[in-house]
Amino acid sequence: DQQVKQNSPSLSVQEGRISILNCDYTNSMFDYFLWYKKYPAEGPTFLISISSIKDKNEDGRFTVFLNKSAKHLSLHIVPSQPGDSAVYFCAASGTGNTGKLIFGQGTTLQVKP
Amino acid sequence: DADVTQTPRNRITKTGKRIMLECSQTKGHDRMYWYRQDPGLGLRLIYYSFDVKDINKGEISDGYSVSRQAQAKFSLSLESAIPNQTALYFCATSDKGQGAEDEQFFGPGTRLTVL
Repeated sequence: DQQVKQNSPSLSVQEGRISILNCDYTNSMFDYFLWYKKYPAEGPTFLISISSIKDKNEDGRFTVFLNKSAKHLSLHIVPSQPGDSAVYFCAASGTGNTGKLIFGQGTTLQVKP
Repeated sequence: DADVTQTPRNRITKTGKRIMLECSQTKGHDRMYWYRQDPGLGLRLIYYSFDVKDINKGEISDGYSVSRQAQAKFSLSLESAIPNQTALYFCATSDKGQGAEDEQFFGPGTRLTVL
């Protein structure tokens, strides 16, 4: 059973516009959420995270929103740039700092010039 | 130099062969992980190790084994490779500490094809 789901396999946006990537989870014990970005032929790299005690975290052009009641998080990229084209994975970890991450399936973002 | 390295980067092998994928890190982290990535399934945890004497199974450990030779080295073995083990394999590391272990640092990946 997929505990972390990214239901959109792909997303295409125009340069300069907003990209919104979505992620849903089913386990209410998750208390820390992360987004990773992956370029072809490279490993995933950490992008931004949010603790369950917050509902928003911002880092430059990237903002993650968490809606605990809906078990939903989203990553906003504003403005989108062609270099943002990559696969984005959301991930979640549970209480107790187990160090184990559960990943979603990934969403491929294409930003068109 | 890369903090997390994986060898080989690409490997093609035949069904039934024994394969070892190696991972080394210079980050000084205690925790190391092996994942596989399949299209449409994201990254799934195979094994993880919180220190040299601590090895744990992940969600898809069947058909795999690991060895933590040192703090910096974590190897993944396929004792008898089968075609459905064709995938992209990633090693990752993380530090201990409040929340720090959640941020994992990944190697570049090994693309394994089992014919």
